[in-house]
Amino acid sequence: DIQMTQSPSSLSASVGDRVTITCRASQDINKFLNWYQHKPGKAPHLLISDASNLESGVPSRFSGSGSGTDFTLTITNLQTEDFATYYCQQYDNLLTFGGGTKLEIK
Amino acid sequence: QVQLQESGPGLVKPSETLSLTCTVSGGSISNSYWSWIRKPPGKGLEWIGYIDFTGGTNHNPSLDSRVTISLDTSKNQFSLKLSSVTAADTALYYCARVRNLYDLGMDVWGQGTMVTVSS
Repeated sequence: DIQMTQSPSSLSASVGDRVTITCRASQDINKFLNWYQHKPGKAPHLLISDASNLESGVPSRFSGSGSGTDFTLTITNLQTEDFATYYCQQYDNLLTFGGGTKLEIK
Repeated sequence: QVQLQESGPGLVKPSETLSLTCTVSGGSISNSYWSWIRKPPGKGLEWIGYIDFTGGTNHNPSLDSRVTISLDTSKNQFSLKLSSVTAADTALYYCARVRNLYDLGMDVWGQGTMVTVSS
């Protein structure tokens, strides 16, 4: 099984900040990684596919990078609507989510 | 625009079988792959399994053989059965569309349904 480890598990930041969330796979998954945003009371939302492809309608302040075992999600110029929990998800072998990173307002 | 809606009992007794249905509207169930995901209270998302339009399935190995996912094309629905449930299966259960086999991105989700396992 492929394990996905996200860090940090929680993060405090202010509007306008730049934040980076890391996701590490237990083995090489090429670029087979998606990122989701999840807000309380709402369904998760697909942000980025294939490690770096921004989904239609997702603001350009979101970006993803990485390949192999190490990946990052970066959000620049944080907005109030960005405070949520973020999950990575590999699809190299079945599907596995990371443990999540809760982004909170400082 | 495709929409998904989960339905099923909100309370299941330990050792019994959890049964949920996801109704697909605004599109044909025969055109995509379909998945179940859950979120236990205070924990992260966990992928349960998915089914393709031929009825072929894959599921999370950690759930062993307790998972059954099926398709009813006549009703445009797919279903989840999880047997021998325990308190650890208490979670918010989501159904979602897997848009393609290239990136397995889940791009349309239901709102989720809470299932509690308790006697």
